[in-house]
Amino acid sequence: EVQLVESGGGLVQPGGSLRLSCAASGFTFSSYWMSWVRQAPGKGLEWVANIKQDGSEKYYVDSVKGRFTISRDNAKNSLYLQMNSLRAEDTAVYYCARASYYYDSSGYYYHYFDYWGQGTLVTVSS
Amino acid sequence: DIQMTQSPSSLSASVGDRVTITCQASQDISNYLNWYQQKPGKAPKLLIYDASNLETGVPSRFSGSGSGTDFTFTISSLQPEDIATYYCQQYDNLHPLTFGGGTKVEIK
Repeated sequence: EVQLVESGGGLVQPGGSLRLSCAASGFTFSSYWMSWVRQAPGKGLEWVANIKQDGSEKYYVDSVKGRFTISRDNAKNSLYLQMNSLRAEDTAVYYCARASYYYDSSGYYYHYFDYWGQGTLVTVSS
Repeated sequence: DIQMTQSPSSLSASVGDRVTITCQASQDISNYLNWYQQKPGKAPKLLIYDASNLETGVPSRFSGSGSGTDFTFTISSLQPEDIATYYCQQYDNLHPLTFGGGTKVEIK
């Protein structure tokens, strides 16, 4: 059974830092792109960052570039999000999500989040 | 960035009703669209990928259609357990991936 379990959320002051973790099990972690997706209270979903299987490619939404760093440890089946210079607008539930990203024989590609963690709440407030 | 616009933002329907949600992309995204269901307090769940492909284990009353800029998500016969917020998400541009604003479905 695929499981994604986030941890590390909490209350932090503006300008502070926090490191989120996501422990993966039930699948070959090193074979999948992984993402962080967040949801501010009462709001919709926002993709935050993703990372390639071997960590060689990383991408971020503009609003977190230069402040957040996504990383992974395939030996530990773990995904991380280091969040620095936190702002009130970063307050959200942060989800870890597995991305199924593949091409078919014609070159057409698919990309969808097929498994999600339960989320961890990050609150940025003084 | 590709903007995704969902409508309506909320709806109320009776059990057994046919429910339709639309999603419009700000540019042509071919079939590169997924649909997710999120129940209150829970993580999102993938329902449909590639605009019309039903994820394994998802009931057949859910369906998706469309291509280009205009997409439709349909529940053929609304059930009480379908109360949730539904989101579309494009993947024509992978960076950034973007979601629609969501449609909250309630029982009348």
